[in-house]
Amino acid sequence: AQSVTQLDSQVPVFEEAPVELRCNYSSSVSVYLFWYVQYPNQGLQLLLKYLSGSTLVKGINGFEAEFNKSQTSFHLRKPSVHISDTAEYFCAVSTVGSQGNLIFGKGTKLSVKP
Amino acid sequence: DADVTQTPRNRITKTGKRIMLECSQTKGHDRMYWYRQDPGLGLRLIYYSFDVKDINKGEISDGYSVSRQAQAKFSLSLESAIPNQTALYFCATSEGGGRNEQFFGPGTRLTVL
Repeated sequence: AQSVTQLDSQVPVFEEAPVELRCNYSSSVSVYLFWYVQYPNQGLQLLLKYLSGSTLVKGINGFEAEFNKSQTSFHLRKPSVHISDTAEYFCAVSTVGSQGNLIFGKGTKLSVKP
Repeated sequence: DADVTQTPRNRITKTGKRIMLECSQTKGHDRMYWYRQDPGLGLRLIYYSFDVKDINKGEISDGYSVSRQAQAKFSLSLESAIPNQTALYFCATSEGGGRNEQFFGPGTRLTVL
């Protein structure tokens, strides 16, 4: 069975600083990887996804993530954060050839301070 | 207009009451999901449906039931609510296959007293 570990439950950072939110997964088969964002009092929306090909994936709002198969990681990065990036971020995995259900990590709360 | 809507958005009820949460979508997707979100636990899958006649239990289905009334409608019921079912509930939809994005509704905040 697959699992997802988000290594930090909370990440405080100052505005315009870089940020990295860490995600590791466990699976015995090939995976698809996703990052979702949840702004306060809203549902989740997709930031970016890795399906195959280039390991560096660019998403919305200036975020990017890099798939590292050897380290089973899919860390999310942004070079310069804004106050509006304050949200909870979820890493999720589904396995290739499966029914396609997502397994979510427990989330990382990003707090951007002025 | 929102593609995935949920009603009600907030609900407070008492232990033992029957509660129904409703989800509607205009995306034309066959797949629909119900999740619950608890602080620090992320999202956990309760039930999912691949079409009107295909309903499946998820990770935490005990105490819940669902009904897929049409392609666009998927309801979640708590037959006899208990306090540890207090949570934020999300409905989501997707096209077929694990490579596709799931689209989430705005959530229903349920409190069971």
